[in-house]
Amino acid sequence: KAGVTQTPRYLIKTRGQQVTLSCSPISGHRSVSWYQQTPGQGLQFLFEYFSETQRNKGNFPGRFSGRQFSNSRSEMNVSTLELGDSALYLCASSFVQTDEQFFGPGTRLTVL
Amino acid sequence: QKEVEQDPGPLSVPEGAIVSLNCTYSNSAFQYFMWYRQYSRKGPELLMYTYSSGNKEDGRFTAQVDKSSKYISLFIRDSQPSDSATYLCAMIRSGGYQKVTFGTGTKLQVIP
Repeated sequence: KAGVTQTPRYLIKTRGQQVTLSCSPISGHRSVSWYQQTPGQGLQFLFEYFSETQRNKGNFPGRFSGRQFSNSRSEMNVSTLELGDSALYLCASSFVQTDEQFFGPGTRLTVL
Repeated sequence: QKEVEQDPGPLSVPEGAIVSLNCTYSNSAFQYFMWYRQYSRKGPELLMYTYSSGNKEDGRFTAQVDKSSKYISLFIRDSQPSDSATYLCAMIRSGGYQKVTFGTGTKLQVIP
C-alpha cells in the first residue's frame, strides 16, 4: 500500500509570495491533517479535513488555508509569505479521526 | 503549562541498552496515544498506537500507558545505533474531531 505522498518536497519562495502544497493520503483514508514543524516550536497543528470539510483548526493566521477534494487529496495554501513561515510542512492521514496517523515525508519551505 | 510534557533530551545510551522515553499529560480527555520516530529531515514514522492502559509490545518496542497517572512510556530493548532519532509522543482526545497534540520530542543517540 502506498504511503502518504507530498509534493513538492522542497520549495524556495520570497516574502510576499504565496505557495500551494499538495498531499495525497493513503488509499481509503478520509482524514487529512496538516502540521508545521520548526526547530523552535516543534510540531504544530494547522488543520484537519474529513470528507472535504475542515473539522478542526489550529492557532494560525488566516493566511494559512486548506481544502480537501472528493478523492481525499488535500492542499494547503499560504499567502503573503513571511520569513517565519520557513518550516517543514507535514501532512498526515488516517482512516477515521481517532485512528492512528501516518505522515508523509513533508515539504520543506524556505522563505527568503 | 503545556498539555503534553516531554523531556527534550538529548539522551545518550550505549548500544544494547534499554531506553525509556516518557511523556506526561494533563488532560484526561486524551484517550489515544501514539509514539513516532523521526529521523533528521524526514517525516515522523508511526511506531506504536494504543488506547488502553497497560503494555503493548511490538518487537523491541513496548508502549506503556497509565491513564490514572497520566503518564505514557516507550521502552526500546537492545537499542541500536539506527534507533538514533527524535521520538515524539502524541495524543488524541476522545469524542471530538481529530486534533493530535504532540510532545516536543526526545532526541536519542545510541552510541556504538
